[in-house]
Amino acid sequence: GENVEQHPSTLSVQEGDSAVIKCTYSDSASNYFPWYKQELGKGPQLIIDIRSNVGEKKDQRIAVTLNKTAKHFSLHITETQPEDSAVYFCAASRGGGTSYGKLTFGQGTILTVHP
Amino acid sequence: DGGITQSPKYLFRKEGQNVTLSCEQNLNHDAMYWYRQDPGQGLRLIYYSQIVNDFQKGDIAEGYSVSREKKESFPLTVTSAQKNPTAFYLCASSGGALPRNTEAFFGQGTRLTVV
Repeated sequence: GENVEQHPSTLSVQEGDSAVIKCTYSDSASNYFPWYKQELGKGPQLIIDIRSNVGEKKDQRIAVTLNKTAKHFSLHITETQPEDSAVYFCAASRGGGTSYGKLTFGQGTILTVHP
Repeated sequence: DGGITQSPKYLFRKEGQNVTLSCEQNLNHDAMYWYRQDPGQGLRLIYYSQIVNDFQKGDIAEGYSVSREKKESFPLTVTSAQKNPTAFYLCASSGGALPRNTEAFFGQGTRLTVV
């Protein structure tokens, strides 16, 4: 089955700095890679996702890059703000039809942005 | 508003008792999922259902059971056979209309504690 490794487990940055979280996956058939943000006591919320036919996607301060050959993908947050502090999860899925929610998650990264 | 509702938010159970967690969605999604989250770990898939009256085991199905009698509902029963049931349980759904049919939406979770 799929295995997703996520690093680092904790990340501390100053407000305004950039933050980068990296994930690797094992199943070459995976084709959908979402990133979720989870605040304390709440369910995860999708912040950005990318499909295997795209190398990079950007949404304001957030971007995701995908290297299919190396089987890794990364989340980039620029100009970080204190409200970006949360746990971030990467995930991978073979996707297709009704299977996009059948996800294998990384272990999570606790991001702390200091004012 | 459309979304996924999990209830209750907190649940306490005595050892040896079965307990059922509720998950309802009004997003008209075909697929629904149950994940378990333990401290410091990513989410792990318990069961999923891609269509009414059908469901499949995920990675950690032992000690759990589900049903999918209605499209909107996917209850999870934690049985007494589950050795370590204390965890945060998250329900998700996916499979809506294009162009967002890839996104999996999560509920706010149920925290189950065995006392």
